[in-house]
Amino acid sequence: GENVEQHPSTLSVQEGDSAVIKCTYSDSASNYFPWYKQELGKRPQLIIDIRSNVGEKKDQRIAVTLNKTAKHFSLHITETQPEDSAVYFCAASNLIRSSTLTFGKGTMLLVSP
Amino acid sequence: EAGVAQSPRYKIIEKRQSVAFWCNPISGHATLYWYQQILGQGPKLLIQFQNNGVVDDSQLPKDRFSAERLKGVDSTLKIQPAKLEDSAVYLCASSRRSGQVDTQYFGPGTRLTVL
Repeated sequence: GENVEQHPSTLSVQEGDSAVIKCTYSDSASNYFPWYKQELGKRPQLIIDIRSNVGEKKDQRIAVTLNKTAKHFSLHITETQPEDSAVYFCAASNLIRSSTLTFGKGTMLLVSP
Repeated sequence: EAGVAQSPRYKIIEKRQSVAFWCNPISGHATLYWYQQILGQGPKLLIQFQNNGVVDDSQLPKDRFSAERLKGVDSTLKIQPAKLEDSAVYLCASSRRSGQVDTQYFGPGTRLTVL
């Protein structure tokens, strides 16, 4: 089955800096890669996603890049703000087979004012 | 649109006891998922329903866990008997339809503590 590795496990940045979180996946048939943000004690919420036919997608301060050859995708947050502090999870899915998501272990992002 | 509802929000039981969780998905969502999230880890799928049929239960510990989705709407997840390692947050999620780019919306979760 699919295996998703996520790094780093924790990331501390100063407000205004950029943050990058990286994930690798094992199943070359995976074709959908969402990112979820989970604040302490809250439910995971989708912040951005990308399909395998696209190399990059951007939404305001958030962007995701995908390298299918390397089976690697990354989340980029620019101009970080304290409210970006949360745990971020990457996930992978093969939508042809099912919509089941395999999640990484998460990255705790701490943005200091 | 109302979100995914779950109850109870918190549950504390002793090992070997039984427990049940309830989930009401977003109206019109055909696909329902139960995830187990152990502290410090990402959610792990336990079971996926499409309407009232099981799509994937390969990671469900069937000797103690069971789930049903009668009438293709609400779902219950049961653990009997519970073990210490079952302490986790149980998340329910729903989406419109399987096999398409389709956002999974998560409920608030049920935090289970097994003593």
